[in-house]
Amino acid sequence: NAGVTQTPKFQVLKTGQSMTLQCAQDMNHEYMSWYRQDPGMGLRLIHYSVGAGITDQGEVPNGYNVSRSTTEDFPLRLLSAAPSQTSVYFCASSDLAGSYNEQFFGPGTRLTVL
Amino acid sequence: GDSVTQMEGPVTLSEEAFLTINCTYTATGYPSLFWYVQYPGEGLQLLLKATKADDKGSNKGFEATYRKETTSFHLEKGSVQVSDSAVYFCALFSGGYNKLIFGAGTRLAVHP
Repeated sequence: NAGVTQTPKFQVLKTGQSMTLQCAQDMNHEYMSWYRQDPGMGLRLIHYSVGAGITDQGEVPNGYNVSRSTTEDFPLRLLSAAPSQTSVYFCASSDLAGSYNEQFFGPGTRLTVL
Repeated sequence: GDSVTQMEGPVTLSEEAFLTINCTYTATGYPSLFWYVQYPGEGLQLLLKATKADDKGSNKGFEATYRKETTSFHLEKGSVQVSDSAVYFCALFSGGYNKLIFGAGTRLAVHP
């Protein structure tokens, strides 16, 4: 199993550009989520999904869109990039069975918006 | 809402020193509690977990006990190594919101 994969690893954008961060998992997990990591702030939840066709907002959803058309994939779209979106982005997945969920994290995407 | 507070870092220790990283939480109900570790340049990995009061999670010499009476989940290790240098995150799973809530992270640096 590859686990959780993310592409790209690094990305530089100009203000106003759009892009999609890709996330895929091969563990048949129902739950997938996107976090951003900023210095001194830990990880903050952007959006999450409890299954194909179902998404919901986390703590910091503004400026981001998600969709979940398959169990495996959960892309994160930046509609119009802003410097405040410079961050490291992590995708995670877990099995929804019970509350003992271990979340498996991808390696991250480091995004810089100029 | 649910939240996690952990001690600020960085924590700097000499090899073989005793480590404690404090973590307290606020939550409704009985959340599962976790410690994740992030090594330089990598994603987060689960270090240990506890799912109910008085449970002790342990892994790689690290331990943490779920203390409901003090709403705490402090991470301890008796003898740290240089290879333990990383950022440690305390977290709780908020079942009502289907999400993992993280503390701010504590950076540990261990010197030979």
